[in-house]
Amino acid sequence: SQQGEEDPQALSIQEGENATMNCSYKTSINNLQWYRQNSGRGLVHLILIRSNEREKHSGRLRVTLDTSKKSSSLLITASRAADTASYFCVEAAGNKLTFGGGTRVLVKP
Amino acid sequence: GAVVSQHPSWVICKSGTSVKIECRSLDFQATTMFWYRQFPKQSLMLMATSNEGSKATYEQGVEKDKFLINHASLTLSTLTVTSAHPEDSSFYICSATQGSGQPQHFGDGTRLSIL
Repeated sequence: SQQGEEDPQALSIQEGENATMNCSYKTSINNLQWYRQNSGRGLVHLILIRSNEREKHSGRLRVTLDTSKKSSSLLITASRAADTASYFCVEAAGNKLTFGGGTRVLVKP
Repeated sequence: GAVVSQHPSWVICKSGTSVKIECRSLDFQATTMFWYRQFPKQSLMLMATSNEGSKATYEQGVEKDKFLINHASLTLSTLTVTSAHPEDSSFYICSATQGSGQPQHFGDGTRLSIL
């Protein structure tokens, strides 16, 4: 399966700033999910947005979805050093997940 | 809740050795488990989908005789890398889900290094 693309591939910000990352996907999705991966670890599910939703919030996270453009964005507000990780946009079709290339985020204290 | 335990977390072994990795859902029943492979600074690539009590479905390009998957119960799936070689060195991650449309919960991964 083909992976979607994420932009930027890497992002470096100061603590307190907002971090925005975008992804484009290729398939017809049931939902789109964002996951986080700390270096050398497993993945943590952050948020799921269904194909009929346009925006969703969870704590400091805000996700948008534009199915006409097959794109999504993840905004992390008031970033913290602990937010340093890789973030993946994941297309979900049935049970199958297709991961984007990921955005490596570095939050400097 | 929804904890997935993966063991071992790190394996170093000689070329030709077979290595078994376990994936357990600790507090839920996982009808489906997935095995992924991740190379350094790359994304996860799905290797196979495993449903309890049936044969695993492998993605294109993944050798089923090389990567043996067993999902004998609703809480345990195993991946055996048979006759491992240096090119099999990678980070292997499992995930488990309670059903279609439910989030996948990931293990912490196994770093496999073949000398």
